[in-house]
Amino acid sequence: GAVVSQHPSRVICKSGTSVKIECRSLDFQATTMFWYRQFPKQSLMLMATSNEGSKATYEQGVEKDKFLINHASLTLSTLTVTSAHPEDSSFYICSARPGWGEILYEQYFGPGTRLTVT
Amino acid sequence: DAKTTQPTSMDCAEGRAANLPCNHSTISGNEYVYWYRQIHSQGPQYIIHGLKNNETNEMASLIITEDRKSSTLILPHATLRDTAVYYCIAQPPQGGSEKLVFGKGTKLTVNP
Repeated sequence: GAVVSQHPSRVICKSGTSVKIECRSLDFQATTMFWYRQFPKQSLMLMATSNEGSKATYEQGVEKDKFLINHASLTLSTLTVTSAHPEDSSFYICSARPGWGEILYEQYFGPGTRLTVT
Repeated sequence: DAKTTQPTSMDCAEGRAANLPCNHSTISGNEYVYWYRQIHSQGPQYIIHGLKNNETNEMASLIITEDRKSSTLILPHATLRDTAVYYCIAQPPQGGSEKLVFGKGTKLTVNP
């Protein structure tokens, strides 16, 4: 099946700094990528949807100026957590969907990035 | 999107079939039933999907009732590696920017 990678898998940063997380589709072109956040013992919460070459669509309650999403190519999307604070500590997961407007039934998820803000 | 209801947790003995129920009584005609699972500290993994017919693949079987108000995911011979949170999602076909919304899922524990 299709493979999605994330880098880094784990990151620790100091409060007030910014962190960039990369999501790559390794063997397919992803026209749409999604970013999720998951707090301990909770389900995945969708943060934003990004389409290649256009601005991301953020879910209600997600600060677009804090969570910057760039989907500059068909195989790469990045999430930058700006001015991170301890409450941003979470498990961030991306997913990617191939195809140009096709109706598909599978989304491919990355392995996740564990962010800890100290 | 149709709301789904799943038991919070279930246990299963290794080697036995695991039957995970899902209620989606408000499902509409164009909504599919998707199953994903998430092993601890990993990204979710697609398992299977269906509209109204029963489906089977190398991972599992999906049984959908005739009225489509509920379904059951069957792992025929559960192994310890099947311990995970299983998510049942009822949504329209995934295309374009159609997003996948996760509920709380069922925590399946496979015991030796």
